[in-house]
Amino acid sequence: GQNIDQPTEMTATEGAIVQINCTYQTSGFNGLFWYQQHAGEAPTFLSYNVLDGLEEKGRFSSFLSRSKGYSYLLLKELQMKDSASYLCAVMDSNYQLIWGAGTKLIIKP
Amino acid sequence: GAVVSQHPSWVICKSGTSVKIECRSLDFQATTMFWYRQFPKQSLMLMATSNEGSKATYEQGVEKDKFLINHASLTLSTLTVTSAHPEDSSFYICSARDPTGREQYFGPGTRLTVT
Repeated sequence: GQNIDQPTEMTATEGAIVQINCTYQTSGFNGLFWYQQHAGEAPTFLSYNVLDGLEEKGRFSSFLSRSKGYSYLLLKELQMKDSASYLCAVMDSNYQLIWGAGTKLIIKP
Repeated sequence: GAVVSQHPSWVICKSGTSVKIECRSLDFQATTMFWYRQFPKQSLMLMATSNEGSKATYEQGVEKDKFLINHASLTLSTLTVTSAHPEDSSFYICSARDPTGREQYFGPGTRLTVT
């Protein structure tokens, strides 16, 4: 079966760095996405990785290792507004998105 | 990035009535749109995949006669919740796949409350 695993909840301090991990087992792979979702709102796109390595975009970076079925989202210089759920999703061989359950990130002052 | 709109943003309806939710891709043509449902503190659940000009593909456990999906054009898909019940109260979100097929853009969501 297809499976996406990510931690349920993480806590970090304002100004610090946090890494949210995602492991996956899917039928085929056409890229991995990270989305941010604030409570009561729709997800917003953060990053897309299809090749191994690190993609940096401002305070957010995303890493992919296809051989290990592993990705992480790295958030630097955390701000209170970064408190949200972070969703990992993999596009399978049929170009369908398989979603993880999301990681709720709590930022403390 | 591309923009996807949804209307209405929120709706309250009485049990037994039907509600239509519209999803539009504003600046790109979307041959494929997706409808999700999200209950509080739970992950997104894919309900169906909507393809322009053909019947929607429903996920297991989703009643196609209750959740009617029409993808009439490359920029518009509609979801109609028929004979709504309180247990249908949820956050309904659509997304549209961009022409490259690499990204999905989400609408802002519609919060449905059935009384």
